[in-house]
Amino acid sequence: AQSVTQLDSHVSVSEGTPVLLRCNYSSSYSPSLFWYVQHPNKGLQLLLKYTSAATLVKGINGFEAEFKKSETSFHLTKPSAHMSDAAEYFCVVTHFGNEKLTFGTGTRLTIIP
Amino acid sequence: GAGVSQSPSNKVTEKGKDVELRCDPISGHTALYWYRQRLGQGLEFLIYFQGNSAPDKSGLPSDRFSAERTGESVSTLTIQRTQQEDSAVYLCASSPDRGVYEQYFGPGTRLTVT
Repeated sequence: AQSVTQLDSHVSVSEGTPVLLRCNYSSSYSPSLFWYVQHPNKGLQLLLKYTSAATLVKGINGFEAEFKKSETSFHLTKPSAHMSDAAEYFCVVTHFGNEKLTFGTGTRLTIIP
Repeated sequence: GAGVSQSPSNKVTEKGKDVELRCDPISGHTALYWYRQRLGQGLEFLIYFQGNSAPDKSGLPSDRFSAERTGESVSTLTIQRTQQEDSAVYLCASSPDRGVYEQYFGPGTRLTVT
């Protein structure tokens, strides 16, 4: 069984300040973890993925996430928020051999000018 | 190259009618997925196609839902006798192969059942 919990449904930060979007996962197997972003009226886009290589994963647009097995976490961070980062972010878990992705309920990121 | 496309982008239908949603995956992608996204919620897996293998239908919520795929190309998701709770955005994704690969998502079809 696998599941993912996004701890905040809505996060607001000021432009230029750090972003932290929290995600905890549960998996009976070694997990593979993803962050997807969904901009209004746009399709989902992969930000980054972890598949048992380096625990610190760098993605597009300056985002990164760290896999912490002891904490079962995969939090998404960015040092400095930009207005274009405003979107819905989804944390996703699966494992090798499982084609079904399990999505979290999403975190809406708002950037304050 | 072209991404995943879906049609129609919006569909409004009356309760009890049948609807058909279409997905064109990225050329050469053998895996195709359908998801449902209800307002304010994450994506729910519906069905998965991989090449010529039997599809994984374990996420279909009822027997009113069915899907087909012709080879490694177009897929259609059919909902019969639509109900108001079927209102959602239906997303299609494709992937180069089975396993832990990036899934490329289409823009979705927003279905509203009145």
